Amino acid sequence: NAGVTQTPKFQVLKTGQSMTLQCAQDMNHEYMSWYRQDPGMGLRLIHYSVGAGITDQGEVPNGYNVSRSTTEDFPLRLLSAAPSQTSVYFCASSPQGAIGNTIYFGEGSWLTVV
Amino acid sequence: GENVEQHPSTLSVQEGDSAVIKCTYSDSASNYFPWYKQELGKGPQLIIDIRSNVGEKKDQRIAVTLNKTAKHFSLHITETQPEDSAVYFCAARDDKIIFGKGTRLHILP
Repeated sequence: NAGVTQTPKFQVLKTGQSMTLQCAQDMNHEYMSWYRQDPGMGLRLIHYSVGAGITDQGEVPNGYNVSRSTTEDFPLRLLSAAPSQTSVYFCASSPQGAIGNTIYFGEGSWLTVV
Repeated sequence: GENVEQHPSTLSVQEGDSAVIKCTYSDSASNYFPWYKQELGKGPQLIIDIRSNVGEKKDQRIAVTLNKTAKHFSLHITETQPEDSAVYFCAARDDKIIFGKGTRLHILP
């Protein structure tokens, strides 16, 4: 009963490097999303997907790319890391289509860009 | 797009007293309003939710109220205990889920 799995848990990057945060869920959820959490800013939506092959931008999409080739996986790519992207990243998933579906979060990925 | 405002940002209450956290939202199409509790170093966990066709919901010491006309909803915690100390987030959902900025709740002994 894995739920939402994020990797890596901790990562340090140099400015300009690229990397991918992995997210996988085993609950057959249509909806998946990425949030970043910064002090005093709450959880801000980066990108989301309502199903395989469909992605859309959230509140703070700049500097990030996503793809959704399968229902299970929703990787988040940082194209050229910047210190402003130092944050905690959470992946979340949920069933789609009915009102009131619980959102399940991963344990978070702590990213530091130096 | 949807905008969720949450107040207060910090709240301190005496153990045993009640705590109230309030949120407003902007998109009248939002139809689902969950509340999450986040403890240090962990992901948010759902504690209670309410749908747009319901005005109030209660689960033991926790209750949520929704006023769709005014576009606001509130979390009420009664008989607070030390383990209630955490950060609480409200959210509103239409096709995507937008969160408030969080309330840090301190329960004072």
